[in-house]
This record gives sequence, C-alpha cells and structure tokens, in this order.
Amino acid sequence: DIVMTQSPLSLPVTPGEPASISCRSSQSLLRSNGNNYLHWYLQRPGQSPQVLIYLGSNRASGVPDRFSGSGSGTDFTLKITRVEAEDVGFYYCMEALQAPVTFGQGTKLEIK
Amino acid sequence: EVQVVESGGGSAQPGGSLRLSCAASGFIFSSYWMHWVRQAPGKGLVWVSRINPDGSSTNYADSVKGRFTISRDNAKNTLYLQMNSLRVEDAAVYYCVISLGSSRGEDSWGQGTLVTVSS
Repeated sequence: DIVMTQSPLSLPVTPGEPASISCRSSQSLLRSNGNNYLHWYLQRPGQSPQVLIYLGSNRASGVPDRFSGSGSGTDFTLKITRVEAEDVGFYYCMEALQAPVTFGQGTKLEIK
Repeated sequence: EVQVVESGGGSAQPGGSLRLSCAASGFIFSSYWMHWVRQAPGKGLVWVSRINPDGSSTNYADSVKGRFTISRDNAKNTLYLQMNSLRVEDAAVYYCVISLGSSRGEDSWGQGTLVTVSS
C-alpha cells in the first residue's frame, strides 16, 4: 500500500497570512498520461470532506483561487495565499493511483 | 443537485452485523464508481471499499476484507455496505462518496452515518 505522509500535522495561522502543507507519498503518483493522482480535501468542523484540488494542481469547482496545489511524483504541496477564518479544519491529501486508496494523517489548520 | 444520503447506522455488538445504504440522486448513478470511507471518532479518513459502475468489480481495505461486502442496485440508485463480524475498531462515521479521486474533481460526499460497536 502507498503511505501518505503530511506535514505539519498542526498549523496555526494568522488571518491574512499564507499557509503551506506538504504531502509525500511512498511511491510516485505520476502516471504515463502525465497526471499525478494526488488530491486534497478539506474537512471543516462538523462537516463532510470536500475536494479542493484534484490531480495535484487543479482547483475543484467553487474553490477560491487562494488555494493552489503543486508538485509531482512523490512530493506535493497545498498553499493558501491568505488564510481566512473559513479555512479552519483538517486538510487531507489522498492518493488515487491504485486500490487501496490511502489518505494522509491530516493537518489541522487553526486560526491564531 | 447531486446528493447521496446514507442510512442504516446504529449500534451493534461485537460479532454482529449492520447494513448501510446510500441513496443517490441528481446524477446518473449507474455511470460512477462508488466508495465507502470511514472516520473513527477524532481520527482521520480511511478508505473502506469501492465498486465499479455495473457492480462487477469490487475492492476492499485489508481491515474489512472477508467481513464487509459492497454492492449496488442501479435500478434503485442505491449503494450498500453489508458489515458482518463487526469489531470494536469498526466504529466510525461511514461516508458514501461518489467518484472518490475523480480525474474531473467530481467527488461528492454524503453526510455520513454513525456506526457504534460495543458490548
């Protein structure tokens, strides 16, 4: 199984400041079609997860442009240019290269 | 509006059984892979199982293999998870997810149904 490792696991951020979360996979998520099968999800308090970024760098519908995803192969990053109060919650990376699908441990973003 | 609504959660004893259902609407159910993902209280997300659009192919996490069975009824737009030989560690919120890891960013999650396992 592919192991997904996120860092940091806790991320206190001042509103208006940037934030960055790293995700590493134990094997490459890049397929020959050029796609990285890495996705990012946000789970706000008391809510179900929602997709933010798919295939490494594509924003899902309705996701603000302050969110961006980058990386390839085994190293990926989620960046928020200016954190807002509504961004609090747990962020998960997930690989969809093969079954079983695996998630990172989650990163808790909180407002300072 | 795309929607999935889980039901069937509740309390069971270790060794018992539960059957979860997921009613889908607002999209062509028979065209999509469907998944179950669970989340134990205060813990992270764990993938459980998936089924292909026509129900002919399934996959399971090792932790539930041989005990859980995923199935679907495309005529009823409904996904199921039959959970047998339940263990304390199966206690979690179970989410029904449309097209998890979609290459078009079309994932959609239900609100979840809570399963508790205790004696």
